[in-house]
Amino acid sequence: GENVEQHPSTLSVQEGDSAVIKCTYSDSASNYFPWYKQELGKRPQLIIDIRSNVGEKKDQRIAVTLNKTAKHFSLHITETQPEDSAVYFCAASIRPSGTYKYIFGTGTRLKVLA
Amino acid sequence: NAGVMQNPRHLVRRRGQEARLRCSPMKGHSHVYWYRQLPEEGLKFMVYLQKENIIDESGMPKERFSAEFPKEGPSILRIQQVVRGDSAAYFCASSPDRGNEKLFFGSGTQLSVL
Repeated sequence: GENVEQHPSTLSVQEGDSAVIKCTYSDSASNYFPWYKQELGKRPQLIIDIRSNVGEKKDQRIAVTLNKTAKHFSLHITETQPEDSAVYFCAASIRPSGTYKYIFGTGTRLKVLA
Repeated sequence: NAGVMQNPRHLVRRRGQEARLRCSPMKGHSHVYWYRQLPEEGLKFMVYLQKENIIDESGMPKERFSAEFPKEGPSILRIQQVVRGDSAAYFCASSPDRGNEKLFFGSGTQLSVL
């Protein structure tokens, strides 16, 4: 069945350092990969996404890379700041029968130490 | 655009009672997804609906849980005869018509079963 694995489950970095979160997916038909940030007690918010026809996408300090052959994608945050502390979820969308379905990873709790 | 609206934000029920969670998608969105999130865990897919149709309910428990998205009004997630294990945050998300896969989340309903 469809599955998305996410690592690490927790990550602590010093302010200004980079953070990398990795996900792998099982269904080769997956074609859309969003990343969400969820602060404590709040809704998940879309921060960046990538489609299967693109290998890399960047938005200021955030970038996502996709390796379709290996079926994995990664979130890169550079120059981390305390406000980046949150739980980050990756997801993969598939269309098993013409309709979208989104499978989420288990989340990474990022702590940026000031 | 008010975004995805969920109510209530907090819902307390005693074991055996019914819980009704409501979700109004963003304006122009016709696809609704429900997810359940336990503390310190990820987002578990429950059900995917379009107006008047259940598209995928593979994540819904077979008993006590039901969902609808009527032609008029919000989507409703209904849990009958609640048990303590139903305590969780329930998030609704919506997306536009086919062709745009971005998911936008509501603020969630925190269900507590006493």
